[in-house]
Amino acid sequence: AQTVTQSQPEMSVQEAETVTLSCTYDTSENNYYLFWYKQPPSRQMILVIRQEAYKQQNATENRFSVNFQKAAKSFSLKISDSQLGDTAMYFCAWATSGTYKYIFGTGTRLKVLA
Amino acid sequence: KAGVTQTPRYLIKTRGQQVTLSCSPISGHRSVSWYQQTPGQGLQFLFEYFSETQRNKGNFPGRFSGRQFSNSRSEMNVSTLELGDSALYLCASSLRQSSTDTQYFGPGTRLTVL
Repeated sequence: AQTVTQSQPEMSVQEAETVTLSCTYDTSENNYYLFWYKQPPSRQMILVIRQEAYKQQNATENRFSVNFQKAAKSFSLKISDSQLGDTAMYFCAWATSGTYKYIFGTGTRLKVLA
Repeated sequence: KAGVTQTPRYLIKTRGQQVTLSCSPISGHRSVSWYQQTPGQGLQFLFEYFSETQRNKGNFPGRFSGRQFSNSRSEMNVSTLELGDSALYLCASSLRQSSTDTQYFGPGTRLTVL
């Protein structure tokens, strides 16, 4: 069965610093997608970044970038120039190509300190 | 464009009752997925509907059911409620035009079972 593991339950970072959130997954499939979602306190979940497994180039979205290591089944999220608004729960998710069934990790609670 | 909307936002029920939750997807989105979020189990996939048909199903008992209407709105029903059904129920919509489109989440319905 496919699994997604986020080994850091909680992290904190100083404002303007850089932080990396870890995610590993287990699958025997070759075509799949990976996502990072952000869920701020009492607010709805929003997509941060998405990576197609067939693409070797790491995805970037402004201050957010990923380090996708397909062979190692690792998908970490780097947040540069952290802002107070980045304080949230971050979920890593996996989905096989052609389905809309996301498998989520348990989340990492990130707190950005002023 | 309006985002995914879910009604009601909060519900309190007692054991043995049944409940119906509603989800309106983003305009033009034809796929709706449902997830259960609890502190203990995290985010778990319930089912996905596309073109009024269930396309994928998670590992939940038959008390959990859903349907989708011709306008893509979806409802989820839970019968014979148990204490363990207390959770945040999230729905997510997507275009479903490519192999795995991004899912966009609603704010959730928080169900409390007493």
